[in-house]
Amino acid sequence: QVQLVDSGGGLVKPGGSLRLSCAASGFTLSDFYMAWIRQAPGKGLEWISDISGSGATIYYADSVKGRFTISRDNAKNSLYLQMSSLRAEDTAVYYCVRDQVARDGDSFDIWGQGTKVTVSS
Amino acid sequence: DIQMTQSPSSLSADVGDGVTITCRASQSISRYLNWYQQKPGKAPRLLIYAIGNLESGVPSRFSGSGSGTDFTLTISSLQPEDFAAYYCQQSYSIPPTFGGGTRLDI
Repeated sequence: QVQLVDSGGGLVKPGGSLRLSCAASGFTLSDFYMAWIRQAPGKGLEWISDISGSGATIYYADSVKGRFTISRDNAKNSLYLQMSSLRAEDTAVYYCVRDQVARDGDSFDIWGQGTKVTVSS
Repeated sequence: DIQMTQSPSSLSADVGDGVTITCRASQSISRYLNWYQQKPGKAPRLLIYAIGNLESGVPSRFSGSGSGTDFTLTISSLQPEDFAAYYCQQSYSIPPTFGGGTRLDI
């Protein structure tokens, strides 16, 4: 079935780095934009980045621009988020999400289970 | 950025009740309005896309309506599994933004 499995979260010190991964199955990854969305503890949802099917088009939220890098390897059915210069306010559950742009509107239709990132000394 | 404002932020209701959640955008977003459900400890789930289109597998007691800047999510007869948080989201422009959420409690 269509599935996304997030991994790579953990505890990291302020200023540190972490790489998140997302394994996709049940669909052709290259056909879809993919995104990362995060949720701080007890808070709402925040979109942080999107990448086109080929990887040629990338968008970032201002809050992570210059610190985070989204990438993909379609041959490995994988999406990545390289996070650097981490801050306490980056503490959140990070979700890998399929961005369904092809049909009416544009929605996030498949979500990973989330991976927790904690930035603390 | 387009601001999305949901109301109420929390809501109490009983099984069998009908409820409505509203979402207002800071500017017109055409048809680019989606709704998500999130249960505690779980990832969000897409319920409705493009104002009123039910995602596959979503029960017909859920419906969405609206246009321009004002939108609603209606649940016609609450079931026990509907008690969750609900978020609206605009996909009209980048960055995509979410409402603050509505927590629906028994």
